[in-house]
Amino acid sequence: GENVEQHPSTLSVQEGDSAVIKCTYSDSASNYFPWYKQELGKRPQLIIDIRSNVGEKKDQRIAVTLNKTAKHFSLHITETQPEDSAVYFCAASMWSGGGADGLTFGKGTHLIIQP
Amino acid sequence: EAQVTQNPRYLITVTGKKLTVTCSQNMNHEYMSWYRQDPGLGLRQIYYSMNVEVTDKGDVPEGYKVSRKEKRNFPLILESPSPNQTSLYFCASSALFRDEQYFGPGTRLTVT
Repeated sequence: GENVEQHPSTLSVQEGDSAVIKCTYSDSASNYFPWYKQELGKRPQLIIDIRSNVGEKKDQRIAVTLNKTAKHFSLHITETQPEDSAVYFCAASMWSGGGADGLTFGKGTHLIIQP
Repeated sequence: EAQVTQNPRYLITVTGKKLTVTCSQNMNHEYMSWYRQDPGLGLRQIYYSMNVEVTDKGDVPEGYKVSRKEKRNFPLILESPSPNQTSLYFCASSALFRDEQYFGPGTRLTVT
């Protein structure tokens, strides 16, 4: 099955700086890569996702890049703000018109924004 | 209000006593899933369902059962709970598999 490695497990950055979280996956057939944010005591929420037919996707201060050859994808947050403090999870899966495999998550990155 | 609900939110039980955690969504979503979350291990998928009467094993299905008799409901059944099933459980749903998953509020289960 799919295996997703996520690094770092903890990331501390100064407010206003950029943060980068990296994930690698093992199954070259995977083609769907979402990122979820989980604030303390709350449920995970999707912040951005990317499919294997694109290499980069942006949404305001958040961007995700995908390198299918190297089997890795990254989350970039620019101009970090206190409300960005949370645990971030990457995930990977394969889907097609005939169905899908399950969604495999990385172990998470605790992002701390220092004032 | 569009939402995913889970019941109970908190449960303390003893080893071997069968229990069911219910999950219901009111968004007419086809895809539903169960995850467990443990410190340092992230979210791990237990079972998922692409549609009514269709279920598949996730990464950690041992000790769990599910059923999808109706589109809106996806209960998680622990026939004989054990202490290693103590965890925070999330149900999630999405319109289709590749769409955003909406998570329920979570169920914190303790098995003694």
